[in-house]
Amino acid sequence: EAGVVQSPRYKIIEKKQPVAFWCNPISGHNTLYWYLQNLGQGPELLIRYENEEAVDDSQLPKDRFSAERLKGVDSTLKIQPAELGDSAVYLCASSRTGTGQETQYFGPGTRLLVL
Amino acid sequence: AQSVAQPEDQVNVAEGNPLTVKCTYSVSGNPYLFWYVQYPNRGLQFLLKYITGDNLVKGSYGFEAEFNKSQTSFHLKKPSALVSDSALYFCAVRVTGANNLFFGTGTRLTVIP
Repeated sequence: EAGVVQSPRYKIIEKKQPVAFWCNPISGHNTLYWYLQNLGQGPELLIRYENEEAVDDSQLPKDRFSAERLKGVDSTLKIQPAELGDSAVYLCASSRTGTGQETQYFGPGTRLLVL
Repeated sequence: AQSVAQPEDQVNVAEGNPLTVKCTYSVSGNPYLFWYVQYPNRGLQFLLKYITGDNLVKGSYGFEAEFNKSQTSFHLKKPSALVSDSALYFCAVRVTGANNLFFGTGTRLTVIP
């Protein structure tokens, strides 16, 4: 079974530029998560999808961040415009359902550097 | 509010010795507890979880963890450390009825040959 796929693995951009990250979850997993991981910290949830619906986006900075999961499978996370403080690793995870017992499986992440 | 504490930023242990990585939690309901490991430039890999039942949970690569409700702890253990166990370890908690994972700040384990 293939794991969670993310691309690109690395991205370097200048501040004020837009950037997008893509995630393909494990087949059959209805719940998809985007996390932000700053250096030396644990991941923090940005947004959670149940199928196509964003059921928890309370931690997503909506002035510059947006996300979509149009067909309930792949998802894209966008930042526009990027700021220096957005430099971090963006992790995508998926689980079969959103119930508390389900294990979340993580992708390798996208490491973003904003110059 | 939910929180997870990993009191040690760094743990060093000699190869072949037992290892312990500590985790304590604070939740307002019944916790679901998870351990993940992160190798350089890779995502988090699931090791084990406690949902209910036996307090001693066994997971991947010979790791185990013990849920202690009275001490609100979920320490990760392994009887004999390998050099390849050197990595960053994260404890996480999810409260029943909620779907978000709250992660600790991580503990870097170094196994010395």
